Amino acid sequence: ELKVEQNPLFLSMQEGKNYTIYCNYSTTSDRLYWYRQDPGKSLESLFVLLSNGAVKQEGRLMASLDTKARLSTLHITAAVHDLSATYFCAVHLLSFTSGTYKYIFGTGTRLKVLA
Amino acid sequence: DAGVIQSPRHEVTEMGQEVTLRCKPISGHDYLFWYRQTMMRGLELLIYFNNNVPIDDSGMPEDRFSAKMPNASFSTLKIQPSEPRDSAVYFCASSPGQADTQYFGPGTRLTVL
Repeated sequence: ELKVEQNPLFLSMQEGKNYTIYCNYSTTSDRLYWYRQDPGKSLESLFVLLSNGAVKQEGRLMASLDTKARLSTLHITAAVHDLSATYFCAVHLLSFTSGTYKYIFGTGTRLKVLA
Repeated sequence: DAGVIQSPRHEVTEMGQEVTLRCKPISGHDYLFWYRQTMMRGLELLIYFNNNVPIDDSGMPEDRFSAKMPNASFSTLKIQPSEPRDSAVYFCASSPGQADTQYFGPGTRLTVL
């Protein structure tokens, strides 16, 4: 079964602290995405990671990909209140069962940064 | 660019009624996706199109759901008849290529009473 799991599901952290969100997926994927969703809003793309060892950074967020471990991380540095949102990872992979590409989203991590 | 446009933004209907959700993708994007988001099931891909052709509809929950893309600038998701468990936020997204970042519309919040 194709599964994408994130942990933690909920994260409450103080401003200025660092933390990491983890995204594990169950089968080989050729790329991984991170999205952000503010409450009541749509999803916004943050990063696309294309290969093993890929690292991308934007402001206080840094994403990395380890395809061998089937693991991606989203690291938050010195959190600020504006980062409060739900973060999703998603994988893109070929299903050998159906012969079509699948897009599977993780469960999401709801982040709340406390002032 | 206006981004992905969805209508209506909110829909309240009664069980048994037909519901049609509409989406206009970003011009030039060859892929269009329909997702459903609920608290219980998270974000689920229902169906996606490439150049107006449905590629994978394995996520469509039941025969009550159908989707069409008559041209490159318009798609519909229809539920007939609707049921309370269909209540969710439905997102449309588009992307230039198969594995490119998807651009999501604002969503349609559907409530079936």
